[in-house]
Amino acid sequence: AQRVTQPEKLLSVFKGAPVELKCNYSYSGSPELFWYVQYSRQRLQLLLRHISRESIKGFTADLNKGETSFHLKKPFAQEEDSAMYYCALRGYQKVTFGIGTKLQVIP
Amino acid sequence: NAGVTQTPKFQVLKTGQSMTLQCAQDMNHEYMSWYRQDPGMGLRLIHYSVGAGITDQGEVPNGYNVSRSTTEDFPLRLLSAAPSQTSVYFCASSPGTAPNPLHFGNGTRLTVT
Repeated sequence: AQRVTQPEKLLSVFKGAPVELKCNYSYSGSPELFWYVQYSRQRLQLLLRHISRESIKGFTADLNKGETSFHLKKPFAQEEDSAMYYCALRGYQKVTFGIGTKLQVIP
Repeated sequence: NAGVTQTPKFQVLKTGQSMTLQCAQDMNHEYMSWYRQDPGMGLRLIHYSVGAGITDQGEVPNGYNVSRSTTEDFPLRLLSAAPSQTSVYFCASSPGTAPNPLHFGNGTRLTVT
């Protein structure tokens, strides 16, 4: 079975503060991990995938197989970062999502 | 390039009614899937398909049917709507499986009274 855990439903930070959205996973094989973002009443869109090791909109995420984690980080939060963030694991044929973390950036 | 198109955007049903949520993609993606999004529960997989003629169940398949007669279309049928099926439904597709990301539609907001 594959499982994704996002422990925080809501994360509030002040503008300019660092952000870390946590994601832990459980999967017996080699996981493919993603972060998706959903702005208010819009479709989900890909933010990051671990395989590309890139930085998008200032966000980065590193896969830690020892800790089975894929935390999303940004050094300085911006108001436009306010959104729902979903961590997802692509295993064999299925994609499993966490419950999502709502990031609220306070001006 | 339209991507993943879902219709309708909004729907209100009465308990016991049936309906079909439409999903079409124009990217020649082999993989398609349906999710429901509920507050505090994230996205839960209903059904998925790895290619035309092949479908399988996800986490929450009860009350829903799917078929995949073409690569482009993946409709989701509610057999007898129940208030517990009130949700936002998302269709997603990708070219094959890992490591490709999913491309999502805009969603269908369904209310069952």
